[in-house]
Amino acid sequence: GNSVTQMEGPVTLSEEAFLTINCTYTATGYPSLFWYVQYPGEGLQLLLKATKADDKGSNKGFEATYRKETTSFHLEKGSVQVSDSAVYFCALIIQGAQKLVFGQGTRLTINP
Amino acid sequence: EAGVTQFPSHSVIEKGQTVTLRCDPISGHDNLYWYRRVMGKEIKFLLHFVKESKQDESGMPNNRFLAERTGGTYSTLKVQPAELEDSGVYFCASSQDQAWTYEQYFGPGTRLTVT
Repeated sequence: GNSVTQMEGPVTLSEEAFLTINCTYTATGYPSLFWYVQYPGEGLQLLLKATKADDKGSNKGFEATYRKETTSFHLEKGSVQVSDSAVYFCALIIQGAQKLVFGQGTRLTINP
Repeated sequence: EAGVTQFPSHSVIEKGQTVTLRCDPISGHDNLYWYRRVMGKEIKFLLHFVKESKQDESGMPNNRFLAERTGGTYSTLKVQPAELEDSGVYFCASSQDQAWTYEQYFGPGTRLTVT
């Protein structure tokens, strides 16, 4: 079946630290990959996406590269800010399908 | 443009009671989805409407859950009777067209607590 596995949280970092949140996937078809973010009190927002192998999605200083050989889509940011504190979800959708498949989410807290 | 809205934001009910959650999608979005996150685990798909028709309800956990989308606008998700394991956050999302190529926009969720 289709599944997404994220690194366990919570993750706590200091401001300006380097961030990596690991995400690997299993897919029966050809997936598009996403990172969603949920800030406190808000809904899920699409952070970035990649639709084919070796694509790099980027937004707000975050990046993730679609690695088909390792079935991974790790989220990175070079220098995090307090405002990045949120829950991050890795997700996939199979080409032609309608439903997103999510990982369990990683809660990130950035301390000043 | 207004985003996806959900009501209520939080509901606390006793086991055996009935609760109805409401979702208003972005205007003009024919596709509406319900998802659920239970106990801090992964967000799981429940069902998908195209206009008023159920396209895929493979994620509905059991027949205590009933989703409707009369007139193809807002949707309701009724849980009757509620059980303890139904506690979680229920998300609604909408998209303009097929999700493979179009972004799903999510609402803030309804936190359901069954005691």
